[in-house]
Amino acid sequence: EADIYQTPRYLVIGTGKKITLECSQTMGHDKMYWYQQDPGMELHLIHYSYGVNSTEKGDLSSESTVSRIRTEHFPLTLESARPSHTSQYLCASRAGGLGNEQYFGPGTRLTVT
Amino acid sequence: QKEVEQDPGPLSVPEGAIVSLNCTYSNSAFQYFMWYRQYSRKGPELLMYTYSSGNKEDGRFTAQVDKSSKYISLFIRDSQPSDSATYLCAGGRGSNYKLTFGKGTLLTVNP
Repeated sequence: EADIYQTPRYLVIGTGKKITLECSQTMGHDKMYWYQQDPGMELHLIHYSYGVNSTEKGDLSSESTVSRIRTEHFPLTLESARPSHTSQYLCASRAGGLGNEQYFGPGTRLTVT
Repeated sequence: QKEVEQDPGPLSVPEGAIVSLNCTYSNSAFQYFMWYRQYSRKGPELLMYTYSSGNKEDGRFTAQVDKSSKYISLFIRDSQPSDSATYLCAGGRGSNYKLTFGKGTLLTVNP
């Protein structure tokens, strides 16, 4: 079983609030990813990181921001939540090099009212 | 055109059936392909990982890649109710490992 954790698992919050979704992994993986997944739709990559102090935007534009100050921690922040941010957010990590599995966390289901 | 197309189903089969799940892709640069299984309210877990054209077998699961027609398949033999989940195909390229996913196919195996 993958050692990648996300908190909270479920979050219902009002419009305009600042939120941070936590993601941690204990496998020492350099590469970490955030995906957004709506029901019946593809996973879309919104952010990724190749190591400490390295972050890049993914293929899907997102108003969220990320930071990577420690190898094991890759939090995602929304400064002002809106109903359009309602979605499931999945964090993933993998070791470098081809052939290494990408592990996913259990996800955070965010609802903005 | 989406880079990875997958029939979302839903697909319902009786226990013991052989299941065929399929995806097509348009990006010739994809070097590797994956199948993930996602149970409800959980994160995806990797089932199969293939680099080249051909078949790869793991227990009841067989992944097939045909790069000439840009077609990937997952076969499940002797399907079980515990196989009921959404199956996601994905293609990727480069060591940066940015995966492109299909929408997923919802499979239900009825006892």
